[in-house]
Amino acid sequence: KAGVTQTPRYLIKTRGQQVTLSCSPISGHRSVSWYQQTPGQGLQFLFEYFSETQRNKGNFPGRFSGRQFSNSRSEMNVSTLELGDSALYLCASSGTGAFSTDTQYFGPGTRLTVL
Amino acid sequence: AQSVTQLDSQVPVFEEAPVELRCNYSSSVSVYLFWYVQYPNQGLQLLLKYLSGSTLVKGINGFEAEFNKSQTSFHLRKPSVHISDTAEYFCAVSDLRSNYQLIWGAGTKLIIKP
Repeated sequence: KAGVTQTPRYLIKTRGQQVTLSCSPISGHRSVSWYQQTPGQGLQFLFEYFSETQRNKGNFPGRFSGRQFSNSRSEMNVSTLELGDSALYLCASSGTGAFSTDTQYFGPGTRLTVL
Repeated sequence: AQSVTQLDSQVPVFEEAPVELRCNYSSSVSVYLFWYVQYPNQGLQLLLKYLSGSTLVKGINGFEAEFNKSQTSFHLRKPSVHISDTAEYFCAVSDLRSNYQLIWGAGTKLIIKP
């Protein structure tokens, strides 16, 4: 089975712009979670989608949004970029739908740099 | 709120020596515990997880961890490390109060000395 893929792998944007990141989960997985990883804050949970519905949400401002399509692919959007949004954005998929106990399979991440 | 402390930001160890990476969490209510590994320029991969049952959990690549409820710890161990174990290791906890979102430790970089 192919793993979780994320596109693009690298992005450079300027402050005030918006960005869309894409994640394709492992075939058959219906849950997709997004995380932000920075040297200062570490790994932080953004949100989780299951069957096209946002099921869990972390503590991020409304500038961070996401959606999931019927084929389980997910996109994450960040509007009005700030310098502090520079981070590695990781997507993870899981198969059983049990958010609390599922093993999450991570993609390689998208490295976003905001100038 | 739940929090996770990984006491060592870096652990240098000689090849073939044993290693222990420490993880403590704050809440003593029912928790699920995870260890993930991140190799350079890659995403994270699950090493092992504790959901219930035996407090000694065996994972991939020869790693194991012990759940200690009284000490609120979930330390990761390997009896003999290899160069290929060079990576960053993350402990994560989820519980009802965090709505089962994974709360992550800051990570421990394992540095293998030849």
